[in-house]
Amino acid sequence: KAGVTQTPRYLIKTRGQQVTLSCSPISGHRSVSWYQQTPGQGLQFLFEYFSETQRNKGNFPGRFSGRQFSNSRSEMNVSTLELGDSALYLCASSPGGRDGTEAFFGQGTRLTVV
Amino acid sequence: GQNIDQPTEMTATEGAIVQINCTYQTSGFNGLFWYQQHAGEAPTFLSYNVLDGLEEKGRFSSFLSRSKGYSYLLLKELQMKDSASYLCAVRDNYGQNFVFGPGTRLSVLP
Repeated sequence: KAGVTQTPRYLIKTRGQQVTLSCSPISGHRSVSWYQQTPGQGLQFLFEYFSETQRNKGNFPGRFSGRQFSNSRSEMNVSTLELGDSALYLCASSPGGRDGTEAFFGQGTRLTVV
Repeated sequence: GQNIDQPTEMTATEGAIVQINCTYQTSGFNGLFWYQQHAGEAPTFLSYNVLDGLEEKGRFSSFLSRSKGYSYLLLKELQMKDSASYLCAVRDNYGQNFVFGPGTRLSVLP
C-alpha cells in the first residue's frame, strides 16, 4: 500500500508570491490534515478536510486555504507569501472515522520564502 | 486554551530505560498520541491512549492519566536508532486535528 505522497518536496518562492502544495493520501483514506512545522513553533494544525469538506480549522490567517477533491487528494494554497511562512508543511492521512486512530504523515514539502 | 508541555531535551545511554513526560491542557480530549520524528523525516506513529492506563507495544509503552492531564512514553533497551524527537499530541475533538507538544529531542549515547 502506497504511503502519503506530498509534492513537491522542496520549493523556493519569493515574498508576495503564492504557492500550491499537493497531498495524495493513502488509498481509502478520506481525511487529510495539514500542519506547519517550524523550529520555533513546532507542529501546528492548519486544517482538516474530510469528504471534500473542511471539518476542522486551526488559527492561521485567511492566506492559508485548502481544498479536497473527490478522490481525496488535497491541495493547500498560501497566498501573498511572507518570510515567516518558510516551514516544513506536512499532510497527514487517516481513514477519517469519528473515532479514528493514528494519522499517517507524508514526507512534507519544505517551503523557503526569500 | 491549548497547551502541551514536554521536556525539550533528554539524554540517555544505550541499553537504558528513559521516560518522556507530557502534560496537557486542552479544551477537549479524544485521545493522546506519541509520534517519533527523525531529523528531516516525517513523524511516525508510536502509540495511542484514550483510556487511563498503560499501553505496551514492544520496547515502547505509553501511560495516560486523564484526570491529571498527564502521559508518559517509556522506551526500554534503548538503541542508537532511538535518537529522535518524540512528539506528544492530543486530539481534542472528533476529527484529525492534533495539538502537538514542542517535542522532546532524545539523544542516545553509546
